[in-house]
This record gives sequence, C-alpha cells and structure tokens, in this order.
Amino acid sequence: NAGVTQTPKFQVLKTGQSMTLQCAQDMNHEYMSWYRQDPGMGLRLIHYSVGAGITDQGEVPNGYNVSRSTTEDFPLRLLSAAPSQTSVYFCASSQAGRLEYGYTFGSGTRLTVV
Amino acid sequence: KQEVTQIPAALSVPEGENLVLNCSFTDSAIYNLQWFRQDPGKGLTSLLLIQSSQREQTSGRLNASLDKSSGRSTLYIAASQPGDSATYLCAVSVDSNYQLIWGAGTKLIIKP
Repeated sequence: NAGVTQTPKFQVLKTGQSMTLQCAQDMNHEYMSWYRQDPGMGLRLIHYSVGAGITDQGEVPNGYNVSRSTTEDFPLRLLSAAPSQTSVYFCASSQAGRLEYGYTFGSGTRLTVV
Repeated sequence: KQEVTQIPAALSVPEGENLVLNCSFTDSAIYNLQWFRQDPGKGLTSLLLIQSSQREQTSGRLNASLDKSSGRSTLYIAASQPGDSATYLCAVSVDSNYQLIWGAGTKLIIKP
C-alpha cells in the first residue's frame, strides 16, 4: 500500500549513542518533514525538505540532522542521543507542504533515551 | 507567535451522545485548519480540512466549524460510538514556511 513507512517502530538508546530513524514514501511527494510529539504538547517540526537536495530547520532542530538524497527517503539522524530526545517521532509527506494538499503520516517511532 | 490550544485534554462520554471538541488559536491569520485523529500506535488520519474562507465542513457524523475572528474551531461528533475513541488533534497552516502549528489534542473515550 502507498504511504509513509517509518522504521524502527520502537528503539531504546543509551545517552550519547547515535542512530538514524528511517522514513520512506512511495507517493512521489516533494515535501517531507519530521515532527516530534511529547506528552501534553502539540507536534513540533524538527526539519523539513521541499525536494531532493533541499532541507531546512523547523522549530526544534538542535541535536538532529537530515539529508534528502532521493525523493523517496528522508532519514533523521540523532547525533548524540540525550534523555530530552525521548519522544515519539512522526514522518510526514505532502505534495506541497500545505494542509490543503493533504498530509500522509507514518505510524511513528517511539524512542526512549536512557 | 501562533499558539493552538485544545480543551479539554480528555473527555469521557457514554455511547450515543453528541459531543463537541474545541480548538482555539491566537492569531487569526491562518490559511486553513485541519482536524486529525490519532489512534494508539498509529499515524495521524486527517478528518476535515477547513479553508480560511470557509465556515464549516461536514463528513458523515463529523462537522467542523471555523470562526477566524474569534480564533476558534469546533469538531462536532454526532451519535458517538466506541470506535470514535481516539485522540483528536487540530493543526493550523499559518504561512509559507510549511510549518503546521498543532494543539496537544483531546483524548476521547466513548463508553459502551
């Protein structure tokens, strides 16, 4: 089925470890983004991309890196995990990055940093 | 800075009741607003999208309204069912930097 695929679904890291959250979409969407969701707060934008080779920072980019070498993939890298990065991470794609074009969300990655 | 608030944070009602979920935003300069549903362990599913020029949108038992001047949107659910149990989120699209501003959600439980 067409959609946004995130892997892994769950991950436990030790403080200081690095890892990459994977996100892939097969809808040929130009726009992709990463959000984090914390209890009692709305989703917050980490990084986004408007096409291959183009990325930009969102509201909470510190501690995360992204790259967009292909239209399909938009991995999120945690450089040195910290307990404050414990969260649920959602990847989303859209034809053009606006609500009226529709967003498709992945099922999320639940990350715990100990 | 745009802020989106959803009250209440949680709501529990008996099956069959009509209910209203609230979403408020501080800056009326929005492009549109959308209501999403989030089920545990799943992604977000869009429910209704209201453009800034519209007053309401309907889909089945759901009706969403928008009052930009007062910074409010409501999601009305008619004849609630246990399958409606989920967290409901609202988000606004505000400007050209592609950022959506989200409320924290209302967790809805429909008791059989």
